[in-house]
Amino acid sequence: KNQVEQSPQSLIILEGKNCTLQCNYTVSPFSNLRWYKQDTGRGPVSLTIMTFSENTKSNGRYTATLDADTKQSSLHITASQLSDSASYICVVNFGNEKLTFGTGTRLTIIP
Amino acid sequence: DAGVIQSPRHEVTEMGQEVTLRCKPISGHDYLFWYRQTMMRGLELLIYFNNNVPIDDSGMPEDRFSAKMPNASFSTLKIQPSEPRDSAVYFCASSSRGQGDTEAFFGQGTRLTVV
Repeated sequence: KNQVEQSPQSLIILEGKNCTLQCNYTVSPFSNLRWYKQDTGRGPVSLTIMTFSENTKSNGRYTATLDADTKQSSLHITASQLSDSASYICVVNFGNEKLTFGTGTRLTIIP
Repeated sequence: DAGVIQSPRHEVTEMGQEVTLRCKPISGHDYLFWYRQTMMRGLELLIYFNNNVPIDDSGMPEDRFSAKMPNASFSTLKIQPSEPRDSAVYFCASSSRGQGDTEAFFGQGTRLTVV
C-alpha cells in the first residue's frame, strides 16, 4: 500500500471556481510535505512546502493545509484559471532521504 | 541559468536496443536525481548522486539500467537492452541539498517509447 495517496484521481471544474485536492499519508511524523504542479510535457515545479508543525501555507491562489490528526493535507485553489490545468503531486519526506510521491490529481479547468 | 537540461526530449526505439538518456544539472547543485514516471506508478526515484558519487541506486529496476555521472555537469541513464515495459517519461532533477531539505528542480523529461 502506498504511503501517500491522492484524491480525486482527476477533476474537471469551470474557470473561476475553487477546488480542493486531497493527500492522505499513513506515517507520521514526517520531515516535510511538498505540493508540486506538473504541466503537461513538463517536469514538476514546487508550489509549497510544509513542515509537520505547520497548519497552512499559501502561495498566491494556492493554499496548502495540514491536519496531523487525520493525516491529511489539502491543496486549495481559489478562483481557478485555465493555466491551473495540470497534475498536482503530493510528496512526503519521511526523513529517510527518500521521498514518497503520490500518483497525483489531474486537474482540468474548462472555460 | 537555463535549468536542468535533458536530451533527447523524445526517444522511440526497438526492443533490445540500447538507450542513453542525458542530463545537465543546474550549475552548483551537488545532488542529481533520476526519476521515472508512469501513469500507473507515478514518479519513482531510480538513483541519486551526491558530488558525482552514486548514493542510492535501490530504485533501479534491474541490471539493464545503469547510471553514471562522470563530472558535475553531466549524467547519463542507460538501458541495455530496452524492453517495452521501460516505456515511460524519465526525469532528471538537481538540488543544492538532499532530497527532502530543499526543492529539486526538474528537467522537462525524456519520453521513451520502446516498441
